[in-house]
Amino acid sequence: GESVGLHLPTLSVQEGDNSIINCAYSNSASDYFIWYKQESGKGPQFIIDIRSNMDKRQGQRVTVLLNKTVKHLSLQIAATQPGDSAVYFCAERRGSYIPTFGRGTSLIVHP
Amino acid sequence: DVKVTQSSRYLVKRTGEKVFLECVQDMDHENMFWYRQDPGLGLRLIYFSYDVKMKEKGDIPEGYSVSREKKERFSLILESASTNQTSMYLCASSYRGEKTEAFFGQGTRLTVV
Repeated sequence: GESVGLHLPTLSVQEGDNSIINCAYSNSASDYFIWYKQESGKGPQFIIDIRSNMDKRQGQRVTVLLNKTVKHLSLQIAATQPGDSAVYFCAERRGSYIPTFGRGTSLIVHP
Repeated sequence: DVKVTQSSRYLVKRTGEKVFLECVQDMDHENMFWYRQDPGLGLRLIYFSYDVKMKEKGDIPEGYSVSREKKERFSLILESASTNQTSMYLCASSYRGEKTEAFFGQGTRLTVV
């Protein structure tokens, strides 16, 4: 079946560095992608989304890049802070409304 | 702000018990979902509902059932709890539409002993 997966289970960075979290997807029909952040003890929270007719979208300190040719999605976090430490999930929309999630990447920010 | 509330943060149940996990959302969302989250496996969809009394199986429905009698409430039922159902359960809701993110509750950590 179709799947969404992440390349790296854990990413360690120094405070102030830029972080890049990657995601591969296999459903070429997916038309909407979302990044979620899950802090310890909490449910996932929406960070940023992108539609398949775009290749880049920027938010506050975050940028999502979409490469449909290789079915790859990435989340870039600028000037990473200790509060960014969390598990990050990418999700693709399957059908009209069902999000399918990848396995997650744990981001660890060292002071 | 959207609020999705799960009735319990932590539950401990015995093998064979019938378990109810409740979820309520206050944003009049059409769609509601139940996921389970296990280390290394991410979030896996158990069931979802796109309207009152409507439900569809997700990727791992075995051993579970759901109920949606009111738009704001979506219940997950473990008919006869087993130890392999020990997990974190996450409820989510969203609007039906072209571009909609899901909003999650805080999760229920269920331990079956």
